[in-house]
Amino acid sequence: DVKVTQSSRYLVKRTGEKVFLECVQDMDHENMFWYRQDPGLGLRLIYFSYDVKMKEKGDIPEGYSVSREKKERFSLILESASTNQTSMYLCASSPDSYNSPLHFGNGTRLTVT
Amino acid sequence: EDKVVQSPLSLVVHEGDTVTLNCSYEVTNFRSLLWYKQEKKAPTFLFMLTSSGIEKKSGRLSSILDKKELFSILNITATQTGDSAIYLCAHLHSGGGADGLTFGKGTHLIIQP
Repeated sequence: DVKVTQSSRYLVKRTGEKVFLECVQDMDHENMFWYRQDPGLGLRLIYFSYDVKMKEKGDIPEGYSVSREKKERFSLILESASTNQTSMYLCASSPDSYNSPLHFGNGTRLTVT
Repeated sequence: EDKVVQSPLSLVVHEGDTVTLNCSYEVTNFRSLLWYKQEKKAPTFLFMLTSSGIEKKSGRLSSILDKKELFSILNITATQTGDSAIYLCAHLHSGGGADGLTFGKGTHLIIQP
């Protein structure tokens, strides 16, 4: 079974802090994604990557950056956390973009105070 | 811009009832429609539908796609409290790149004992 592991289940950070959310997948998938999920808004794509050192903006990249130095790891960075970034963050991976469902991690619930 | 609309947004039924969840889409370059079930953790993959009129079935869950009318339904028969979850519909579009998933806002299903 594909395993997508997010390093933290819950995080509480202060406004202005730099925050790192880590995601690791163990199936050699090319594609990795970061989504945030908010009530009434569904899942929204922040950034994705289809190869090492490659990254593309999703629908809501503002206030975020990403890093993919190794194929199995995709990090989401909040350069200066703000309260409107309080959300559930979901990492996902897939082997390719054609007819391959995403495999999700368990999510990180981030609270910014 | 691709659009995926799910209805109803929330639904409360009694155990044993049958429910039908709806997903309509307006997209370019259609490839597949996916259904996910999300409980407290991450979304888990249920079905991928690519061809019209072919029912996919897994236990008490089934789903079908109508590419002419641009919608899909997810049926759950003899519902149980464990079916309580958010059900997400997503369009996987063709055209390359790793950003090919557009999610609906989800249907929050509550099964009362």
